[in-house]
Amino acid sequence: GEDVEQSLFLSVREGDSSVINCTYTDSSSTYLYWYKQEPGAGLQLLTYIFSNMDMKQDQRLTVLLNKKDKHLSLRIADTQTGDSAIYFCAEIYNAGNMLTFGGGTRLMVKP
Amino acid sequence: DTGVSQDPRHKITKRGQNVTFRCDPISEHNRLYWYRQTLGQGPEFLTYFQNEAQLEKSRLLSDRFSAERPKGSFSTLEIQRTEQGDSAMYLCASSATQGPQETQYFGPGTRLLVL
Repeated sequence: GEDVEQSLFLSVREGDSSVINCTYTDSSSTYLYWYKQEPGAGLQLLTYIFSNMDMKQDQRLTVLLNKKDKHLSLRIADTQTGDSAIYFCAEIYNAGNMLTFGGGTRLMVKP
Repeated sequence: DTGVSQDPRHKITKRGQNVTFRCDPISEHNRLYWYRQTLGQGPEFLTYFQNEAQLEKSRLLSDRFSAERPKGSFSTLEIQRTEQGDSAMYLCASSATQGPQETQYFGPGTRLLVL
C-alpha cells in the first residue's frame, strides 16, 4: 500500500531557507503536491509536480523530486514569519483519485 | 470569492446524536471529495463523487456514515449515532477533470467535537 512520511518539525530563522522533506513508497505516483495548513484552517495548495519532472520553481518555492529514491522536498527561500504553518506533502497515483497525505511538518519561523 | 465552502465550521454534539455537514464546491467542479483529519495527522480520504455518482468509499467510512450529492452540486455528509472517535476535522475538496492533472481545492473544514 501507499505510505507518505514527513519529519514532524522544522525551526528556522526569518530570512533563512527552509527545506521540508517527504518520502513516499508508491512508485506509480503521478502527481505530488504540497499543501499548507494554518491553525484551524483548511488546506491551501502551494504547488505540485508531475512525476516525470525533477524540479519545479514557483517564486520562493522550489520543489525537487528524486523519483529513484522516492524523495520529494519543498524549499522556501527567504522564509517569513507568515510561512509558519503545517506543510503536507501528498501523492495521487494511477489507480485512484484520492490524495494520500503525509503526517505534516510543522514549520516554525523565528524572528 | 467562489472557493469551496463548508457549513457549519464548528459542531459540538453529544455521543449518540446525528450530525450533518454540508459542502458547496467550486461551481464548475464536477468532482467532490470528503476527507477526515484527526489532531496531529494528515487528512485521510473518506469518499468522492463525480457529479452525483459516489464512485469510491474508504474502509474508514463505516455504516454510520453516509454521503450524498443529489444534484451533482453541493454534498452532505451525515454521521449517525456519533461516537467520541468521530471527533475530527471534516474537509471537503473539489476538482475539475481536465486531462491527467487534477488539483483538489479544499474548503475550511467542519470541526466536530463529540462529547
